[in-house]
Parts: sequence; structure tokens; C-alpha cells
Amino acid sequence: KQEVTQIPAALSVPEGENLVLNCSFTDSAIYNLQWFRQDPGKGLTSLLLIQSSQREQTSGRLNASLDKSSGRSTLYIAASQPGDSATYLCAVRLGAGANNLFFGTGTRLTVIP
Amino acid sequence: GAVVSQHPSWVICKSGTSVKIECRSLDFQATTMFWYRQFPKQSLMLMATSNEGSKATYEQGVEKDKFLINHASLTLSTLTVTSAHPEDSSFYICSASSWLAGVTDTQYFGPGTRLTVL
Repeated sequence: KQEVTQIPAALSVPEGENLVLNCSFTDSAIYNLQWFRQDPGKGLTSLLLIQSSQREQTSGRLNASLDKSSGRSTLYIAASQPGDSATYLCAVRLGAGANNLFFGTGTRLTVIP
Repeated sequence: GAVVSQHPSWVICKSGTSVKIECRSLDFQATTMFWYRQFPKQSLMLMATSNEGSKATYEQGVEKDKFLINHASLTLSTLTVTSAHPEDSSFYICSASSWLAGVTDTQYFGPGTRLTVL
């Protein structure tokens, strides 16, 4: 069974700092990996999706990398802002069907003004 | 972008009553809808997958007679929690995707429904 782990569980940084969130998964035979943002009491917003054949994806201040062989992904946030405060979830998909989508427990990020 | 809504956003009910949660795809036809449950500080767990016009497929450990799912149209799926108990209190999130016209299997998530059973 696929297990997805995110470390740290919580992170506080001062505004402007660059930071890295980590995600690891046990089964390297993934279809894709996705990073989401979840604000308190809200649903999920997709940030970046990396296909299994890709190494990284970038969107604005966000950069996600994927090392499938080692079962790791990182989400890099540059020049953090208070508005980045949220819980960040990574999810891996083993196949095209949603029943193969496994979520991590998330990293709760607080950016201090 | 594709928008998925849920109603209600929060609900409080007494133990033993039933609660219905709606999930709607507002600007696309969702051939498949998914229901997730998220307990505090825990990951999202898939409960069931429903395809329009057919019976839902439930994940192991999810009681299909307790969590009734109906996907009667391409824009609406409902989750009914029957005879709710305090342990059913959770955050329920739906997502929708579409295989029509070669659309990717991207899932679009709703804002979630907070259920509290007293």
C-alpha cells in the first residue's frame, strides 16, 4: 500500500524567506504527483502537477521537483509571503483512476509578517 | 477553470439523524465524482468513487449502507450520511473529473462540508 509522508508537519518562517517542503512516498511506480494548498476549513487548490516522466514544474514563486526513484518530491517556495500561510498537501497517483490517489498528511505553513 | 461547489458548507445534526451533502460541477460535466473524508490533522481518505448513472464503488472499510451516494446527473452527486453518530463528524470533500472530449483526468475539488454530529 502506498504511504505518503510529509515533513515537517508544521513550519513557521519569517516573511521573505525561501523554504522547502518535503514529500516522500513508498511506491515509486507513480503516475503523477500533485501539490495542493488547503486553507483552513476550505477545499483544495491545485498548485503543481508533475507527471512521472518529468523532473520538475514551476509556477511563479513555486517550484516542485520529483525524484521518482528515491520516492521524493519537494515544493520550493521563494520569497514567502503571509498569504502563503496554509496547509500544503502532496498526493501521488498510481494510475489514471482516482482510487489510486494517496494524500500526505500535509505541512502547515505559517509565514510571519 | 472548472468549479465544484458543495452544499451545505457546514452542518450540525443530532445523533441518529441523516444528513445529505450535495456536490455540483458548475461549468463542466463530471463523468466521475469522488468523496473524501478528512479528520482533524489527518490526510484525505477516499471514501467512494461514483460514475454518472451507475452505483458507487466504495473503498475498503467504508459502509455503503451508511454513506449513500447518488450520482444521478453529470453535474450533481449527493452523499447521505444515514443515522449519523459523533464519530462521523468530519470534513467531507468531493471532487469531480471528466473524461468527455478527451479532457484529462484532473480532479477539481469542492470547498468541503464540515459535519458535526452532537
